[in-house]
Amino acid sequence: NAGVMQNPRHLVRRRGQEARLRCSPMKGHSHVYWYRQLPEEGLKFMVYLQKENIIDESGMPKERFSAEFPKEGPSILRIQQVVRGDSAAYFCASTRRAYNSPLHFGNGTRLTVT
Amino acid sequence: EDQVTQSPEALRLQEGESSSLNCSYTVSGLRGLFWYRQDPGKGPEFLFTLYSAGEEKEKERLKATLTKKESFLHITAPKPEDSATYLCAVQAWETSGSRLTFGEGTQLTVNP
Repeated sequence: NAGVMQNPRHLVRRRGQEARLRCSPMKGHSHVYWYRQLPEEGLKFMVYLQKENIIDESGMPKERFSAEFPKEGPSILRIQQVVRGDSAAYFCASTRRAYNSPLHFGNGTRLTVT
Repeated sequence: EDQVTQSPEALRLQEGESSSLNCSYTVSGLRGLFWYRQDPGKGPEFLFTLYSAGEEKEKERLKATLTKKESFLHITAPKPEDSATYLCAVQAWETSGSRLTFGEGTQLTVNP
């Protein structure tokens, strides 16, 4: 039973480029969460999605960031025109049920902006 | 706003030296409190969920307890392989789905 799969594991982008991070949830899980972990800081919630719907994007910056979870395929976190401050580890987590479920995390994508 | 504070930030133990990690929380209505373990370069790994004050959960050398204001993660006779960052998180009734608010973690090092 494969866990949450994230790719790429490492991503290097120059300032101004776009970053696309992918997340395939665990089999049978239809709820996906994205978190960001800055160096020496805790995990910060960004967005919660179900298939084809954004449920809660209150933690996502208003500009340059977007997320989707299409009917088919992985969830995508897109960062446009990246800046150095976007350098961080981005984690995806999934659950089977909407409530009272622990989040199961992937191993993250480490984004470095040069 | 939900808040989670973990202490200490870092803890060094000798193998076999038992200790406790603390997690203090402020939340409007607690749906659940979660403990995770995170190894370097990896994602958090789920350990426990506690739902009500007085509840306890155990797994190998770890035991988690919950009161109305804090949770403790007790580590009995730790081994070097228990070295990791331990994260505490809360889930509130008013937040969406299974969204968690995390503390900044306690980095545990167990020396042989």
